[in-house]
Amino acid sequence: QQQVKQSPQSLIVQKGGISIINCAYENTAFDYFPWYQQFPGKGPALLIAIRPDVSEKKEGRFTISFNKSAKQFSLHIMDSQPGDSATYFCAASETSGSRLTFGEGTQLTVNP
Amino acid sequence: DTAVSQTPKYLVTQMGNDKSIKCEQNLGHDTMYWYKQDSKKFLKIMFSYNNKELIINETVPNRFSPKSPDKAHLNLHINSLELGDSAVYFCASSQLFRGGGTDTQYFGPGTRLTVL
Repeated sequence: QQQVKQSPQSLIVQKGGISIINCAYENTAFDYFPWYQQFPGKGPALLIAIRPDVSEKKEGRFTISFNKSAKQFSLHIMDSQPGDSATYFCAASETSGSRLTFGEGTQLTVNP
Repeated sequence: DTAVSQTPKYLVTQMGNDKSIKCEQNLGHDTMYWYKQDSKKFLKIMFSYNNKELIINETVPNRFSPKSPDKAHLNLHINSLELGDSAVYFCASSQLFRGGGTDTQYFGPGTRLTVL
């Protein structure tokens, strides 16, 4: 049972464009929603995270939008750059535990 | 300074063999994890240890046995390797908060296991 669904599977964006990746979850006990970035041959690294007490969090060009009622959250990458080309994973966990449930991943390609 | 390190980076072996992957973290964290990333890049947790105690044990064949000699190390031993075990295995660590919940998980560089 996939508790975190991520879309799209792959995304191609032109340099300077906006990349948008969406995730939906089922478990209402989830209350921590991180996004991880993974470059080829490397381990995933935390990019940005949000808790449900806010609807949006911004760090530089990266913004998480969170809709608790819809059980959805999304990552927006503004002014996308070729260096942003990577695989992005959304994830979720419950405060009570350390188990991170990952989405299926989105392969982002930013063309120069 | 490498925060989470794994050895080896690549492991090629024959079906039926037994192999181990080692993981060490120098972040002072008390919780460590093993994840499996399959060919479609799907990441799935396998095990988690907190202060050498097993706290997460997903539905993983019992051919996989984690061992934590101390809270800075978490090794993964795999018996009787099968073709389907081919994947990238990631070790990670984090610090559990006293009130519950977890801080950022830091991942190692991964070990690519190929079973022939």
